[in-house]
Amino acid sequence: QVQLQEAGPGLVAPSQTLSLTCTASGGSISSGDYYWSWIRQYPGKGLEWIGYIFYNGVTYYNPSLKSRITISVDTSKNQFSLKMSSVTAADTAMYYCARQIAVAFYFDLWGRGSLVTVSS
Amino acid sequence: DIQMTQSPSTLSASVGDRVTITCRASQSISSWLAWYQQKAGKAPNLLISKASSLQSGVPSRFSGSGSGTEFSLTISSLRPDDFATYYCQQYSSNLPVTFGGGTKVEFK
Repeated sequence: QVQLQEAGPGLVAPSQTLSLTCTASGGSISSGDYYWSWIRQYPGKGLEWIGYIFYNGVTYYNPSLKSRITISVDTSKNQFSLKMSSVTAADTAMYYCARQIAVAFYFDLWGRGSLVTVSS
Repeated sequence: DIQMTQSPSTLSASVGDRVTITCRASQSISSWLAWYQQKAGKAPNLLISKASSLQSGVPSRFSGSGSGTEFSLTISSLRPDDFATYYCQQYSSNLPVTFGGGTKVEFK
């Protein structure tokens, strides 16, 4: 059974770059059946989709964040990663990685989440 | 972006109650709607896709309906394990996908 696990610093200074990695275990991210996504949830509970990557490197970014984010994939490590530049306190959130059905766009598997706080 | 509006934001109910949560899309999304349950401190869990298709392992007391812009999630008889927050999500071809603001089902 596939599981996803996020990892990265819990505290990031303002104006710096947030970096998170999601490792898949129990299955390969090289399946053509899925996209691999990042989603964040604000402390007030709202959910925002950040973007996805396919195993071949094709990406889609939410236009609201496009200028600040990069999602990459390392199939040899069964991982995909998120980088978000120029962070502010408004980027403080729980960050989830998730598996997204490629022929639809809902999320059938989520990681446990990684809380990122932006503060000096 | 397609806006998703859930109502109510909070719902107080008792075990055994029938509860219905509504989700409205700012434009037609056909049946491209999913529902998730989120318990405190946990990630969301997929309950329903394509407006009414129950995921494997989800109890039959959960059901979804609707199409176009109006959707609902119904729990036929609330169990203690169902007190949680519920989210809808649209996944029409009009990216980005977007989520509703959530409905917290709390104990009356």
